[in-house]
Amino acid sequence: QKEVEQNSGPLSVPEGAIASLNCTYSDRGSQSFFWYRQYSGKSPELIMSIYSNGDKEDGRFTAQLNKASQYVSLLIRDSQPSDSATYLCAVNFKTGGFKTIFGAGTRLFVKA
Amino acid sequence: DAGITQSPRYKITETGRQVTLMCHQTWSHSYMFWYRQDLGHGLRLIYYSAAADITDKGEVPDGYVVSRSKTENFPLTLESATRSQTSVYFCASSTSGTSDTQYFGPGTRLTVL
Repeated sequence: QKEVEQNSGPLSVPEGAIASLNCTYSDRGSQSFFWYRQYSGKSPELIMSIYSNGDKEDGRFTAQLNKASQYVSLLIRDSQPSDSATYLCAVNFKTGGFKTIFGAGTRLFVKA
Repeated sequence: DAGITQSPRYKITETGRQVTLMCHQTWSHSYMFWYRQDLGHGLRLIYYSAAADITDKGEVPDGYVVSRSKTENFPLTLESATRSQTSVYFCASSTSGTSDTQYFGPGTRLTVL
């Protein structure tokens, strides 16, 4: 069973703080990792993708990947109320067929 | 309009009825996907398609049927709807299957009474 685990939250941080979102996955053969943001009542949209160990930065967002420990994280610096959403971790599993497994998501609240 | 669209956006039906959810994309993406989203489960893959006339099962395919005769369309049919199929359904597309961003449609909220 391929699994992607996230803390469901809610995670509450004050405006301007760093929000840290974590995700673990079960398959060591996984190759591609994604963070999607989903506002209430809307569809998911991609924030970051990461394929290699280490950090990847894009503006206020940093994705971190550690394949040995099988976790991927998303840091949001200078959090804004507009960052309040559910963040979905997605992992592409290397199996006989193509499979993307999404975590259940972490709800983030940024308090003004 | 360019992008990925779904219809209907909202649907109420009764147990046992057949329902078809439509998905249309204008990017000529090879891959298309159907997900359902339920509280506590996140997004679960129902079916996906790598190209026209090529489809494969995802995590939760039971009770669903798909077809893809044209690259741009990927309808999802519930042959005999059950209450457990009440959910929000998202269609998505991507240029490749394994390492590419998926672009999601706006979703269809389906209620089975």
